[in-house]
Amino acid sequence: SQTIHQWPATLVQPVGSPLSLECTVEGTSNPNLYWYRQAAGRGLQLLFYSVGIGQISSEVPQNLSASRPQDRQFILSSKKLLLSDSGFYLCAWSVRAGGVDFGPGTRLTVT
Amino acid sequence: ELKVEQNPLFLSMQEGKNYTIYCNYSTTSDRLYWYRQDPGKSLESLFVLLSNGAVKQEGRLMASLDTKARLSTLHITAAVHDLSATYFCAVGTSGTYKYIFGTGTRLKVLA
Repeated sequence: SQTIHQWPATLVQPVGSPLSLECTVEGTSNPNLYWYRQAAGRGLQLLFYSVGIGQISSEVPQNLSASRPQDRQFILSSKKLLLSDSGFYLCAWSVRAGGVDFGPGTRLTVT
Repeated sequence: ELKVEQNPLFLSMQEGKNYTIYCNYSTTSDRLYWYRQDPGKSLESLFVLLSNGAVKQEGRLMASLDTKARLSTLHITAAVHDLSATYFCAVGTSGTYKYIFGTGTRLKVLA
C-alpha cells in the first residue's frame, strides 16, 4: 500500500528565516504530487503540483517555491518567511482519477 | 477559473437528525471527491464520484453527483456525535491534474 511522509510535523520559525519542508511517497511510481496550505480555520489552497521529476506548476505567486528532485520526493521552500506563511502544509499524491491522498501535514508558525 | 462552494459553512445539529451539505462548482467536471478533517489532523478520503448520477454510501453518510447541475450533496442520516468534523468537497479539473477544494463545512453534532 502507499504511504506518504512529511517532516517535520511542527515548526516554529522567525520572520525572514528560510524554510524547507519535505514530502516522500512510498509504494507507487510516477505519482502526481501536490502542496496545499490551510490557514487557521480556513479551506485548502493549492500551492504547487508536479506531474514528474523537475516539472512544477505554481498556482499562487508568492515567496514559496517547490522542487521535485526525485520521482517520489517533493520539497517546499522559502528563502524568507513572512508572517502570512503560517499555516498547515499538506503534501498529497494522486494516481489516475482517484482523487488525492494526504500526508500527515506540517504545522508552521512564523513568529 | 474553477470555483467550488459549499454550504452551509457551519452546521450545528442534534443527534438523530438528518441534514444535507451542498457542493457547487463552476465549470464542467465529472470528478468529485469528499473528505473529512478532524481538528488538528490531515484530510481523510470519504467518497470518490466519477460519473453523473453516481451515489456512494458509507454508514450514515451518502454522497451523490449531478454533473449537469454541477452539484454534489453529502447527506447525513440520523447524525451521531462521532460525525462532528469538517467536511470538504473537491473537484478534479478537466484536462489538468489539479484538485480544487471547497470552503469546507464545519459540522457539530450535539448530544
